Amino acid sequence: SQQGEEDPQALSIQEGENATMNCSYKTSINNLQWYRQNSGRGLVHLILIRSNEREKHSGRLRVTLDTSKKSSSLLITASRAADTASYFCATLPTQGAQKLVFGQGTRLTINP
Amino acid sequence: AAGVIQSPRHLIKEKRETATLKCYPIPRHDTVYWYQQGPGQDPQFLISFYEKMQSDKGSIPDRFSAQQFSDYHSELNMSSLELGDSALYFCASRTSGGAYEQYFGPGTRLTVT
Repeated sequence: SQQGEEDPQALSIQEGENATMNCSYKTSINNLQWYRQNSGRGLVHLILIRSNEREKHSGRLRVTLDTSKKSSSLLITASRAADTASYFCATLPTQGAQKLVFGQGTRLTINP
Repeated sequence: AAGVIQSPRHLIKEKRETATLKCYPIPRHDTVYWYQQGPGQDPQFLISFYEKMQSDKGSIPDRFSAQQFSDYHSELNMSSLELGDSALYFCASRTSGGAYEQYFGPGTRLTVT
């Protein structure tokens, strides 16, 4: 079972709109990372936010982290059809194994 | 830039057979991770190696074993394959002295029939 939960599980929007995906986790973390995965393909690292950071930007991506609520959000602005993919958050716990713990993912579909 | 290489990309085996998956990390990366992703599931951590020593162990069945070699490549050996072992197997690497980003390979799709 995964400690991370993503919300929504599936999201379908029109091209040009903004897409927001949320992630919650349960343990204390060192950092939180977002990955993208095209169907049946590899995981592509998008962005990392450390536990002492609250917001980070990278191109059309904006990530927020609220450690008091143990949650994060990924915003993709001005979405494009090529953004269609599954998006996973993954946390690196502060204690225990130095492994990424993945959420269940949000399947994002951008309609042209 | 060089990426993580996994081979083979696709593998079809029958029940009770064995399989070996290979991972070649990014040059100068000393840490390798293996993950398993079942159909429609999130990736699950299996095992990791740092400097050729096992560093962490996750939900890896006893039928599976892995090692990291002197050139830092890693192999995941899977025996007595079961239908439920059908999944995407990802390898990821990172450098222990750097940031925590793990760089994932394209994965090996294992199908057990």
